[in-house]
Amino acid sequence: EAQVTQNPRYLITVTGKKLTVTCSQNMNHEYMSWYRQDPGLGLRQIYYSMNVEVTDKGDVPEGYKVSRKEKRNFPLILESPSPNQTSLYFCASSLGLAGVRETQYFGPGTRLLVL
Amino acid sequence: LAKTTQPISMDSYEGQEVNITCSHNNIATNDYITWYQQFPSQGPRFIIQGYKTKVTNEVASLFIPADRKSSTLSLPRVSLSDTAVYYCLVGDVGNAGNMLTFGGGTRLMVKP
Repeated sequence: EAQVTQNPRYLITVTGKKLTVTCSQNMNHEYMSWYRQDPGLGLRQIYYSMNVEVTDKGDVPEGYKVSRKEKRNFPLILESPSPNQTSLYFCASSLGLAGVRETQYFGPGTRLLVL
Repeated sequence: LAKTTQPISMDSYEGQEVNITCSHNNIATNDYITWYQQFPSQGPRFIIQGYKTKVTNEVASLFIPADRKSSTLSLPRVSLSDTAVYYCLVGDVGNAGNMLTFGGGTRLMVKP
């Protein structure tokens, strides 16, 4: 089944404790990205990747890191989480780079609480 | 990406047809119109996309007038399970790879 998976789905952590949220897609998609969703603010893009070893900042990259060592995986790293990073996170992928014309496939989301 | 304006929320009843209109006055010649659906605690899901006139699939219809300054997502005979947030996106190739900008969307509540 074609899908985007994220782990963990739920995570409670404390300020400053490094964490990684994994994202994997099995559709051989070129493009992957991370979003966070907060009440009243919609989805905001954190980072994106157009291919292996090619990543770039989105709208809200501060406090986050990503890597794209393999085509299928795009982990999101929080080196020193803070409470303002408490949010619902989504990973997404698409086959190509045609912007809005490209169908985006989203993962199930990871709900993070930073105490 | 062209700026879009949608109603914040809408209510409907089961079995009714629901029409959600999106305004995009600054749409460019190459821009496409795409709608996504998001259920609580799930990622958005592609519903339908169009460029002009009418597009229909198994889920919805998309009506686009000749001037393309607005579009209407039509959901026939909604059920309780259609309660979700619906996002209208307009654009073509994103700038600097920032491909999708989701606004606030329209929160549809379907009542029994």
